[in-house]
Amino acid sequence: ELKVEQNPLFLSMQEGKNYTIYCNYSTTSDRLYWYRQDPGKSLESLFVLLSNGAVKQEGRLMASLDTKARLSTLHITAAVHDLSATYFCAVDLTSGTYKYIFGTGTRLKVLA
Amino acid sequence: EPEVTQTPSHQVTQMGQEVILRCVPISNHLYFYWYRQILGQKVEFLVSFYNNEISEKSEIFDDQFSVERPDGSNFTLKIRSTKLEDSAMYFCASSDTGGNRFNEQFFGPGTRLTVL
Repeated sequence: ELKVEQNPLFLSMQEGKNYTIYCNYSTTSDRLYWYRQDPGKSLESLFVLLSNGAVKQEGRLMASLDTKARLSTLHITAAVHDLSATYFCAVDLTSGTYKYIFGTGTRLKVLA
Repeated sequence: EPEVTQTPSHQVTQMGQEVILRCVPISNHLYFYWYRQILGQKVEFLVSFYNNEISEKSEIFDDQFSVERPDGSNFTLKIRSTKLEDSAMYFCASSDTGGNRFNEQFFGPGTRLTVL
């Protein structure tokens, strides 16, 4: 069974600092998604990563995918309070199944 | 921009009652999904549905759960006899392809189910 683990689970950081969230998964996949979730809200799609070496950036967030290491990172540059949320990665298996397997989530709190 | 919609946004029910959660997927999508998220936990896959039948289901999706596409636009999740542990946020999603092809799923806003 595919396992998707994120670390850290909780992250409290000061505004202006940089940090990276890691998403490790246990089986072959070259499709990975990052989502943001505000409390009580739905999943907002941030990034779609479809191949080894894919890198995407949007504002202060940058995501990358290393399929050989089975690792994706979400890098936060110069954090601002508005980035406070829970971030999930989700892996889409390439073996014909239809489900996403979500990571454990990282709850980010950016302190002003 | 097309989006997945869900109703109701919040459903409160008594234990043992039946509930039906409704979703309207994006209109040209062919694959439909339900996921759930217990408060403070990760999102878990429940079931996928294509061509009027279940494609895949998780261990969570037991005999108390069923899905249906009663007409050309709605996709429903029924829980026959709710338990306290069914309290969660339920997300519907849809995609236009599945399996080995690129399969970006678009998620609805969720229905929060509270079982008392």
